[in-house]
Amino acid sequence: SQQGEEDPQALSIQEGENATMNCSYKTSINNLQWYRQNSGRGLVHLILIRSNEREKHSGRLRVTLDTSKKSSSLLITASRAADTASYFCATDTGTASKLTFGTGTRLQVTL
Amino acid sequence: DAGVIQSPRHEVTEMGQEVTLRCKPISGHDYLFWYRQTMMRGLELLIYFNNNVPIDDSGMPEDRFSAKMPNASFSTLKIQPSEPRDSAVYFCASSPTGQSAYTFGSGTRLTVV
Repeated sequence: SQQGEEDPQALSIQEGENATMNCSYKTSINNLQWYRQNSGRGLVHLILIRSNEREKHSGRLRVTLDTSKKSSSLLITASRAADTASYFCATDTGTASKLTFGTGTRLQVTL
Repeated sequence: DAGVIQSPRHEVTEMGQEVTLRCKPISGHDYLFWYRQTMMRGLELLIYFNNNVPIDDSGMPEDRFSAKMPNASFSTLKIQPSEPRDSAVYFCASSPTGQSAYTFGSGTRLTVV
């Protein structure tokens, strides 16, 4: 079963706009990770946030984590056409050394 | 490092045939994971290894699926006999520890006709 559920399922924006994706999960976690998948390719790790962290930045990416609400958000600022991809959150519950992936958000950035 | 290497990239086979997918993890990564991705079920963990030992195979759908890791640099996922519902993209990923970032391979797109 899916641990994480991303929202929205699909998002279409114009280049230069910000994109926000949300992830909700069900059980306590050790860390939460975000991955990007371009069409027909493997997943690429973007950022990892630990359960004792609330916010993390990496370039144009900003991730927040609210463990009381069991939710996380990924913000991509000043989006580019090259950001077009599917984005997945993945949780490590700590009881086992494995990631459970959410359902993904398909982001389309148009010129 | 060349990253996680999977072969073949594409595989088309007839129902009932044996299929073997291969993976070379990143050197020094102690964990290796096999995932399956479909439109209906998303990304599912099939099995993972730590130091070449299978730790959790609860995601393996049936006895038709088996996985091995004979050494730190090679793993196989075998389906015998294959069925059309096995059609999916199969990913291998490796990680230095179980709680750090994963590096994924490019995947094997399997089509069973």
